[in-house]
Amino acid sequence: AQSVAQPEDQVNVAEGNPLTVKCTYSVSGNPYLFWYVQYPNRGLQFLLKYITGDNLVKGSYGFEAEFNKSQTSFHLKKPSALVSDSALYFCAVRDIDQGGKLIFGQGTELSVKP
Amino acid sequence: GAVVSQHPSRVICKSGTSVKIECRSLDFQATTMFWYRQFPKQSLMLMATSNEGSKATYEQGVEKDKFLINHASLTLSTLTVTSAHPEDSSFYICSARFGTGGISFFGQGTRLTVV
Repeated sequence: AQSVAQPEDQVNVAEGNPLTVKCTYSVSGNPYLFWYVQYPNRGLQFLLKYITGDNLVKGSYGFEAEFNKSQTSFHLKKPSALVSDSALYFCAVRDIDQGGKLIFGQGTELSVKP
Repeated sequence: GAVVSQHPSRVICKSGTSVKIECRSLDFQATTMFWYRQFPKQSLMLMATSNEGSKATYEQGVEKDKFLINHASLTLSTLTVTSAHPEDSSFYICSARFGTGGISFFGQGTRLTVV
């Protein structure tokens, strides 16, 4: 079965510093990986995806993620955090064997302080 | 990205009544729609997957007679919470996708409170 894990419930970063939100995955076959962001009382917004190709994927709002096959990781990164980046971040993997539904990690709350 | 509209954003209903939530894909045809439930500070729990024109596939433990899903067109899916009880109070989110390889886009969510 496909799964993703986000080992940190919360990440605290100072504005202007780089941020990393961690995600590891477990899949059979090639992984289809996604990052989404959720602001309070809102749905999820798509940030970026990895299907194939370059290991470094660039997405919305200056975010990027690095696919690392040997470490089975797909960490989300941003060189310089903004206070407005504070939100709940979800890593997800597509379960190809079950109709392509998304399997979500437990979420990581990012807090960026001025 | 594509736009998925979910309505209403917030609803309060009395225990025992039914509530319908709509999910519309505004600028693409959604061959598949998904319904999730989310508790505070927790991840999304998939309730069911619906493909246009066919019956929804429910996840284990989700009562299909209580959570009625209809996907009558390529742009609209509805979730009806029947005979709602306070324990059904939650944040419900839909997502829509075109094809099996497309990105899933999410609605803004519906906060249901049953009193």
